[in-house]
Amino acid sequence: AQSVTQLGSHVSVSEGALVLLRCNYSSSVPPYLFWYVQYPNQGLQLLLKYTTGATLVKGINGFEAEFKKSETSFHLTKPSAHMSDAAEYFCAVNLSGGYNKLIFGAGTRLAVHP
Amino acid sequence: DSGVTQTPKHLITATGQRVTLRCSPRSGDLSVYWYQQSLDQGLQFLIQYYNGEERAKGNILERFSAQQFPDLHSELNLSSLELGDSALYFCASTFSGQGNTEAFFGQGTRLTVV
Repeated sequence: AQSVTQLGSHVSVSEGALVLLRCNYSSSVPPYLFWYVQYPNQGLQLLLKYTTGATLVKGINGFEAEFKKSETSFHLTKPSAHMSDAAEYFCAVNLSGGYNKLIFGAGTRLAVHP
Repeated sequence: DSGVTQTPKHLITATGQRVTLRCSPRSGDLSVYWYQQSLDQGLQFLIQYYNGEERAKGNILERFSAQQFPDLHSELNLSSLELGDSALYFCASTFSGQGNTEAFFGQGTRLTVV
């Protein structure tokens, strides 16, 4: 069965600093991988996704993630944090070829301080 | 605005009661998913419907049931409510049921069982 592990339930960075949110997955078949963001009192919004092809994926708001099969990882990065990036971030995995059954990680709450 | 509408936004009810949560998917989307978000369990996949038929089941309790109607809206019925059912319930929709498609989330229904 597939699963997702997000290392660090809370991450705090300074404005302008690099953001790195870690995600490792477990899947017996090639996965589809997603990062979603949740702002307070909001639903989840897709940041980016990996399905096939290029392993470095660019998303909205300057975020990107790299699929590394050998490390079973899909870490999310942003070169320079902005105050508006403060939110909760969820990594999710879905099985290729199957029906949609997104399995989410526990989430990482990102705090950005001046 | 994701285009997914959930009603009501908030619901407070007593233990033992039954409630119905409603979801209208984005225009044109055929598949609806229900998720439960709680502090201790995180985001849990409950159930998926595609064009009126159940397609995938997750950690949905027997006290919970769902359906998708011909107009594609969906309802999640929660009965014999317990304090532990207090959570944020999200609905998401996709055009197809395939795993590589982006899911659009509603803003959720916050259920409080007292």
